[in-house]
Parts: sequence; structure tokens; C-alpha cells
Amino acid sequence: NAGVTQTPKFQVLKTGQSMTLQCAQDMNHNSMYWYRQDPGMGLRLIYYSASEGTTDKGEVPNGYNVSRLNKREFSLRLESAAPSQTSVYFCASSGTDNQPQHFGDGTRLSIL
Amino acid sequence: QKEVEQNSGPLSVPEGAIASLNCTYSDRGSQSFFWYRQYSGKSPELIMSIYSNGDKEDGRFTAQLNKASQYVSLLIRDSQPSDSATYLCAVNIVDGNKLVFGAGTILRVKS
Repeated sequence: NAGVTQTPKFQVLKTGQSMTLQCAQDMNHNSMYWYRQDPGMGLRLIYYSASEGTTDKGEVPNGYNVSRLNKREFSLRLESAAPSQTSVYFCASSGTDNQPQHFGDGTRLSIL
Repeated sequence: QKEVEQNSGPLSVPEGAIASLNCTYSDRGSQSFFWYRQYSGKSPELIMSIYSNGDKEDGRFTAQLNKASQYVSLLIRDSQPSDSATYLCAVNIVDGNKLVFGAGTILRVKS
């Protein structure tokens, strides 16, 4: 049972390039989330999707877009990458908003 | 005031001792509380969930919840060097219905 799968695991981009981070879960969860984690900042919510077809902004949405493609998949897109977006990105899923979230292994993104 | 607060540490304890990690939260209506463990370079891993006042035990871990005082704690008995990690407290915040994470407490268990 894979749980939450993120691709890619590592990526280096140049400023201004675009990229899509992929996330898929096989736990039949309704809710999916994208976080970024920076040293000393903890986990900060970028966007979330409470159910298929819906998305909402989190704490730090600027510079990002998301797509809930179906119940399993939730992608995060950087349209024009900036060095400030260098971070570790985690995707998570949960059955409902009140249930614990389960995390993927993360994507380590560096923007030069 | 931050919605979820933790002491960043590091908290250092000797092997075999009890490690006590604390977390306070601001939303009195919160109903769901979680502890995650995160090893360096890895993703957060759920170790405890607690929803009612009191204690919940799972192996060497005990979560304690006091809604009146708005704190939740995690006790780790017989601490092992393998317990060395960052521990994240997460609280469901009713306003906005979202899970908010504390910044984490670094635990170091010395052998």
C-alpha cells in the first residue's frame, strides 16, 4: 500500500521556469493538502482540497496554483519560479478535515 | 498569539528517561489533536491522535489533553536514541476548519 506518492523527489529550476509537482493517494481520502516546510518555519499550508472539484487557499498561496484532477490526484504548479520558493514541499491527505493527515515523502525543490 | 505553540528546544534527555513535550493552542473549540514525529530529511509521521480530555497511551507514548487549559502534551517513556527527532503538534482549528501545525520541538536522546 503506497499511501501518498509525490513526484519528483528532487528538482532544480532556474528563476522564471515553471513546474508541476504531482501527488497521488490510494487511501480513498476526500481531502488533500500541499505544504511547504522551511527551516524554523514549520509546515505552512499552501492550498487544500476538501473534496474532488474544490480547492481553497491556505496560508501562503501566492505564486502557486493547484488542480484536483480527480479524487486520487492533487497537483501543485509554480508558473514562474522564484528563489523564495526554494523549499521542501509535502503533499498530505486525510479522510476528512478532522482526521489525521498522512504525508508523502516530499519534493526538495531548489530555484537558482 | 500563534494558533499552535511549541517550545523549539532542543530538549535533551538521557537514554531511559521520560521526555515531556508540550503544546498550547488558541482555539477553544478545537476537537482533534495529533502528534507527528519527523526525522531529519524525512516526512512527518503520525504517532498519536487524541480527541478527549485525559490520557491516551500507546506503547511508550502517552498523549495528554486538557481542553480547559488548552494544552496537549506527549510523554515518551524509556527514551531511546532512535526517538531523537522533531515532534510536531497539530490541532484542528475550528475557524476555517483546518489543521494547524506547531513549529516543532527538537528532541535529543543521549546514550
